[in-house]
Amino acid sequence: NAGVTQTPKFRILKIGQSMTLQCTQDMNHNYMYWYRQDPGMGLKLIYYSVGAGITDKGEVPNGYNVSRSTTEDFPLRLELAAPSQTSVYFCASSYFGSAGEETQYFGPGTRLLVL
Amino acid sequence: AQSVTQLDSQVPVFEEAPVELRCNYSSSVSVYLFWYVQYPNQGLQLLLKYLSGSTLVKGINGFEAEFNKSQTSFHLRKPSVHISDTAEYFCAPSGGGADGLTFGKGTHLIIQP
Repeated sequence: NAGVTQTPKFRILKIGQSMTLQCTQDMNHNYMYWYRQDPGMGLKLIYYSVGAGITDKGEVPNGYNVSRSTTEDFPLRLELAAPSQTSVYFCASSYFGSAGEETQYFGPGTRLLVL
Repeated sequence: AQSVTQLDSQVPVFEEAPVELRCNYSSSVSVYLFWYVQYPNQGLQLLLKYLSGSTLVKGINGFEAEFNKSQTSFHLRKPSVHISDTAEYFCAPSGGGADGLTFGKGTHLIIQP
């Protein structure tokens, strides 16, 4: 299993440009997440999905959109890039154990710089 | 809802010395507790987790953590650190089910030779 993969690894955008961050998992997990990580701030949840066709907002959804047409893919869309969206973006999928606990598996991240 | 506090943003220690990274959580319900590690330029990976039973949990790379319900803490320890342990460590409680994980702000462990 490749686990959770993300592309691209690094991208520079100009203000106002748009792009899609790709995320794919091959573990057949229903739950998937997008986080952003800024220095000293930990991880903040942008959007999440509990299954194909179902998405919901997290803590910081403004400026982003998501879709979930398949179990495997959960792309994150930035429509009008702003300098405040400079960050490292992590995608994760999760597995629920026998006790009901959720363990999340993370991709390697996408570094985005908006100038 | 969960909240979590990692009391130290940075912890410098000398190689082969012991280390403790502190984590306190607040919750009105039973929790599951996780520690994740993030090595430089990588994503997060699971270090260990507490579900129930023994309060001392052992994880990968010689780390362990102790669940203390009365103090609502889940501190991470290692008796002897190595240069390769240099990383960011995140504590994350969860209420289970669809509640998801709440990540702390992270503690940067810096190993000095």
